[in-house]
Amino acid sequence: QSVLTQPPSASGTPGQRVTISCSGSSSNIGSHSAYWYQHLPGTAPKLLIFGNNQRPSGVPDRFFGAKSGTSASLAINGLRSEDEAVYYCGAWDASLSGWVFGGGTKLTVL
Amino acid sequence: QVQLVESGGGVVQPGTSLRLSCAASGFMFSSHVMHWVRQAPGKGLEWVAVIAHDGDNKYYADSVKGRFTISRDSSRKTLYLQMNSLRAEDTAVYYCARGRNYYDDSGPDYWGQGTLVTVS
Repeated sequence: QSVLTQPPSASGTPGQRVTISCSGSSSNIGSHSAYWYQHLPGTAPKLLIFGNNQRPSGVPDRFFGAKSGTSASLAINGLRSEDEAVYYCGAWDASLSGWVFGGGTKLTVL
Repeated sequence: QVQLVESGGGVVQPGTSLRLSCAASGFMFSSHVMHWVRQAPGKGLEWVAVIAHDGDNKYYADSVKGRFTISRDSSRKTLYLQMNSLRAEDTAVYYCARGRNYYDDSGPDYWGQGTLVTVS
């Protein structure tokens, strides 16, 4: 089991809003910034969100990150077919003295 | 632009060693922590190790602690991962990734394309 808990799958139709959750604890998301990554098969993972809700330049503002307590979430507005990918959350864990990832959520655009 | 190019992967037998390299360019290498992250076939991302911007602090996942060693050479702008006592469960694509800044807890922002390690 991963230290950060994500739903294994999510889906939506084009144009919809989809939200992916990431549940952690006081030693990781509760006290450190949450990150979100998009991963397409055979490619390098791409950073979507850092600092809980900050988008790197070039990431569309359809992607929105939020954090509340020990949980984080990624919302994708105006879903597009090219958003079909696996999404991972990540954070530093002070108890483990290391970085941790969620198990990943496979997003399907119907 | 930021570029990270991994090399050194291959097929090795259990119990043997392998050293991965990651050549960095397009940014000030000594100002960023550097990570190794792996993905086993059909599995999710698993963080492996991170090294401080100056090489002083190193942190490892429990699954590799005592077997893997992360290091860096700022003069060569290269990150390394020495992997000893390899096991079948170490089979994965290994990614080199830059940390966002020089803080030890800063997460990966740019990633390489990965190099495949098969232990069989």
